[in-house]
Amino acid sequence: DIQVTQSPSSLSASVGDRVTITCRASQGIRNDLTWYQQKPGKAPKRLIYAAFSLQSGVPSRFSGSTSGTEFTLTISSLQPEDFATYYCLQHNSYPLTFGGGTKVDIK
Amino acid sequence: EVQLVESGGGLVQPGGSLRLSCAASGFIFSDHYMDWVRQAPGKGLEWVGRIRNKANSYTTEYAASVKGRFTISRDDSKKSVYLQMNSLKIEDTAVYYCTRSMGDWGQGTLVTVSS
Repeated sequence: DIQVTQSPSSLSASVGDRVTITCRASQGIRNDLTWYQQKPGKAPKRLIYAAFSLQSGVPSRFSGSTSGTEFTLTISSLQPEDFATYYCLQHNSYPLTFGGGTKVDIK
Repeated sequence: EVQLVESGGGLVQPGGSLRLSCAASGFIFSDHYMDWVRQAPGKGLEWVGRIRNKANSYTTEYAASVKGRFTISRDDSKKSVYLQMNSLKIEDTAVYYCTRSMGDWGQGTLVTVSS
């Protein structure tokens, strides 16, 4: 199974901050990685697919990048509605596996 | 607009069975793979399994934690996907989501396994 290690598990940030979240896959997964945002009591929402393609309707302050087996989600200027938990998912091979999540809260 | 609506959750005793349903609308259901994902209370997301479309013979994949106990099926005529859960364990307690190929998600249905 491919392991996905997500870091940090939590972070505190202020509105306007630049935030980066990283997922590292245990082996090569090409660009088969998706980023989700989840707010309490709600279903996850896809933000980024294929490592760096922005989902329609998602603000451009969200971006994805990759270097080898390391994938990064960047929020360029954190907004109040961005406080949430973020997950990555590898879908290169079965079983599909999620990162452990990153909770972004208000500093 | 894509809509996925899960139903069938509830309280069940350990060892029992439950069948979840997911009704889809707003897209050509028969073209798409469908997945189930779960989230235990206060925990992260866990992929449960997938069913492919007719073109790929409706084949399935499962997480090791549910393989042999859970079965995913679909009825394209009803635009629905199902999760049959047998031999339920306390650790299967979670909100269960259906998704369209891990893109669009339903609102989830809570399954509680407890005596």
